Amino acid sequence: DTGVSQNPRHKITKRGQNVTFRCDPISEHNRLYWYRQTLGQGPEFLTYFQNEAQLEKSRLLSDRFSAERPKGSFSTLEIQRTEQGDSAMYLCASSFGSGTEAFFGQGTRLTVV
Amino acid sequence: DQQVKQNSPSLSVQEGRISILNCDYTNSMFDYFLWYKKYPAEGPTFLISISSIKDKNEDGRFTVFLNKSAKHLSLHIVPSQPGDSAVYFCAARDRGSTLGRLYFGRGTQLTVWP
Repeated sequence: DTGVSQNPRHKITKRGQNVTFRCDPISEHNRLYWYRQTLGQGPEFLTYFQNEAQLEKSRLLSDRFSAERPKGSFSTLEIQRTEQGDSAMYLCASSFGSGTEAFFGQGTRLTVV
Repeated sequence: DQQVKQNSPSLSVQEGRISILNCDYTNSMFDYFLWYKKYPAEGPTFLISISSIKDKNEDGRFTVFLNKSAKHLSLHIVPSQPGDSAVYFCAARDRGSTLGRLYFGRGTQLTVWP
């Protein structure tokens, strides 16, 4: 296990379609984060899991967004009825316990056309 | 509301000289600060961090300085190398949060030219 893995790396979808991204964290990490980065901005927090429990959701996460982390391992982020404003890089990060160094995956670049 | 600010979108430095990247924050509850480096089409990579109980942390060519009274931190890279060319993000954690959520600045594009 060499790091956080995200799939797919790129996704182009038509407006209104649903998309799902997957994140595989570093295996011993119990904390998993989703961030979103748009052009010219830093990563913005979306949601956080500790093991399988989703403990915090940002107000950026509208009702069209849902995230899961079954069994406390990999996580999925689904966006329903995509809009052009959803186009961004979606980043997953993981960390162990109260350690503050979050390790990021390479991201999934979503383009909504 | 941007709680972590990087007011310089870009910085250009000659190879061998010092690069100084600056970051300001507004939240006095931040207790841990990190710098991440990002190459195009890749995720951010952790570089160096500093706790609010310290004012300096050094790791090889990278040093981070923290001035709590000014709510300011800076990353020094000496000597700068062309491979350091990347976007650098400053990030901070709220001590009131047990979740480890990070607040990021908008980043500074560093270009190191030969």
